Amino acid sequence: NAGVTQTPKFRVLKTGQSMTLLCAQDMNHEYMYWYRQDPGMGLRLIHYSVGEGTTAKGEVPDGYNVSRLKKQNFLLGLESAAPSQTSVYFCASRPPQRPQHFGDGTRLSIL
Amino acid sequence: SQQGEEDPQALSIQEGENATMNCSYKTSINNLQWYRQNSGRGLVHLILIRSNEREKHSGRLRVTLDTSKKSSSLLITASRAADTASYFCATDAGGGNEKLTFGTGTRLTIIP
Repeated sequence: NAGVTQTPKFRVLKTGQSMTLLCAQDMNHEYMYWYRQDPGMGLRLIHYSVGEGTTAKGEVPDGYNVSRLKKQNFLLGLESAAPSQTSVYFCASRPPQRPQHFGDGTRLSIL
Repeated sequence: SQQGEEDPQALSIQEGENATMNCSYKTSINNLQWYRQNSGRGLVHLILIRSNEREKHSGRLRVTLDTSKKSSSLLITASRAADTASYFCATDAGGGNEKLTFGTGTRLTIIP
């Protein structure tokens, strides 16, 4: 039972490049979330999903897109990376009315 | 916007002492949760307290909730070096809103 797995763990991009972060969970959870964590700011919600085929905007959605084509996977895309998107990205999942389970993060640097 | 604000931002204590962290929030909640984050890792859920509860215990953890003051505290008793981590509170507004709002965290260092 792997829980929540994030791929890749580290990545360096150049400004303007695109990439996709993958989150996979094997717990059959309905809800999935993408956060970014910056120093001194805690976690901020980017996008989330309450079920397969659904997505919704969080607190800081600009510059990101998401897709939830399969229940177990939640993809976060950066279409044109900017230095302001340098951050640590965390994915989480949970069943209804239960706490969240987190992956170990993707450390993304944009030069 | 960050609903939860933790206090203090950083705390250093000797091993064996108790550690207390506080969290304040702004709007009504369904429940409040505490998470721990070890360096370089994801967050791990510690304890959940519902809005109709005032105190909850789990092992060496004690959480209190005062909805009239919109505040919560996390007490870790008999601290150990392994408790060194960042601690975050998160609020769940409920009402079909499945999002959590996280605070900025308290960095706890246990000195052996």
